[in-house]
Amino acid sequence: DAGITQSPRHKVTETGTPVTLRCHQTENHRYMYWYRQDPGHGLRLIHYSYGVKDTDKGEVSDGYSVSRSKTEDFLLTLESATSSQTSVYFCASLGEDYGYTFGSGTRLTVV
Amino acid sequence: DQQVKQNSPSLSVQEGRISILNCDYTNSMFDYFLWYKKYPAEGPTFLISISSIKDKNEDGRFTVFLNKSAKHLSLHIVPSQPGDSAVYFCAARDAGGTSYGKLTFGQGTILTVHP
Repeated sequence: DAGITQSPRHKVTETGTPVTLRCHQTENHRYMYWYRQDPGHGLRLIHYSYGVKDTDKGEVSDGYSVSRSKTEDFLLTLESATSSQTSVYFCASLGEDYGYTFGSGTRLTVV
Repeated sequence: DQQVKQNSPSLSVQEGRISILNCDYTNSMFDYFLWYKKYPAEGPTFLISISSIKDKNEDGRFTVFLNKSAKHLSLHIVPSQPGDSAVYFCAARDAGGTSYGKLTFGQGTILTVHP
């Protein structure tokens, strides 16, 4: 199916462990984004990519890193997970109409 | 500093009536505004958008109004249906050359439409 696939859908991890979330798109979109959704904050940008190997920080990038080795894949890594990173994470890509296509999200719980 | 604000966390309306969701912004460089709808356990989906050169855009039951002088936009849903019950996010794009399509989102408004 076309669109964006995120994996895993759910994950529980322990404080201090590394975690990688995966995003795969089949739209051949150049721009991709990672957001987190938290109550009272809406969607906040973590990192974004404007091409293969081209990434930059967003509004809430501390504690996160990203990599984009292929157009279709955008990885988000929590180097050492903390409880404040418990959230729902959404990946998105930008289409020609300025609208985003979002993945279904990853619910991450850090215990 | 929240550049896009949705000051109503929730809204409840009766089926068939009008739903009005509001959004305020502070950044004068925003040139494109979008509304997204989100159901539980799903990603947000694009609903409707408006360019800053317009003051109104319609798509079926959905109309977005933009008041640039007040830095305010609103989404009207007429008539509201129970299936419209969802979280609605307002978003804005910076016209700056290095924006790379980044969107700034509001906090979201939970709309509940009662049968």
